[in-house]
Amino acid sequence: GIQVEQSPPDLILQEGANSTLRCNFSDSVNNLQWFHQNPWGQLINLFYIPSGTKQNGRLSATTVATERYSLLYISSSQTTDSGVYFCAVLAGGFKTIFGAGTRLFVKA
Amino acid sequence: AAGVIQSPRHLIKEKRETATLKCYPIPRHDTVYWYQQGPGQDPQFLISFYEKMQSDKGSIPDRFSAQQFSDYHSELNMSSLELGDSALYFCASSLGGIPEQYFGPGTRLTVT
Repeated sequence: GIQVEQSPPDLILQEGANSTLRCNFSDSVNNLQWFHQNPWGQLINLFYIPSGTKQNGRLSATTVATERYSLLYISSSQTTDSGVYFCAVLAGGFKTIFGAGTRLFVKA
Repeated sequence: AAGVIQSPRHLIKEKRETATLKCYPIPRHDTVYWYQQGPGQDPQFLISFYEKMQSDKGSIPDRFSAQQFSDYHSELNMSSLELGDSALYFCASSLGGIPEQYFGPGTRLTVT
């Protein structure tokens, strides 16, 4: 089945710093999403990005489907950005595979 | 905007009991997904329904069953509960043609 790998597994940033999170997938996909799970457990939809680039405020994402990776950029990080960032892909039909996540902690 | 609703938000059960979790998708969404997330783990796909029919199955134990009703809400039924079933259970919904998933707040199940 499709494997989804995220890096880095853990990341500590000083407030105001920028970061790039990576998601690699082992096979062709036509669906990819990025989520943020906040410290209260809520899963928040950041981007639906099967291909191309999207931006939303301080966040942006790029998926290069032909090279099987996606990147999530966080600029000018804030303490409220802390949590776990997951990418997820459809592995045929509606079966969804999540990566293991990147745990981000932003220090004030 | 309306979001995915899950009930109950918290549930405590004893071993060998049964539990029923409910999910109300975003209006007009025709696809429902169920996930289980253990502590420190990523969400694991359990099962999905499209237009009230089961569409895909993941790592769902035989003790669990689910269905989607005519009003598109879904229920996850869990029997013979085990300690290892303690987890956060998420429901998500999407519009089939564009499978962008929106997650509910989750149900935290504790089995004692």
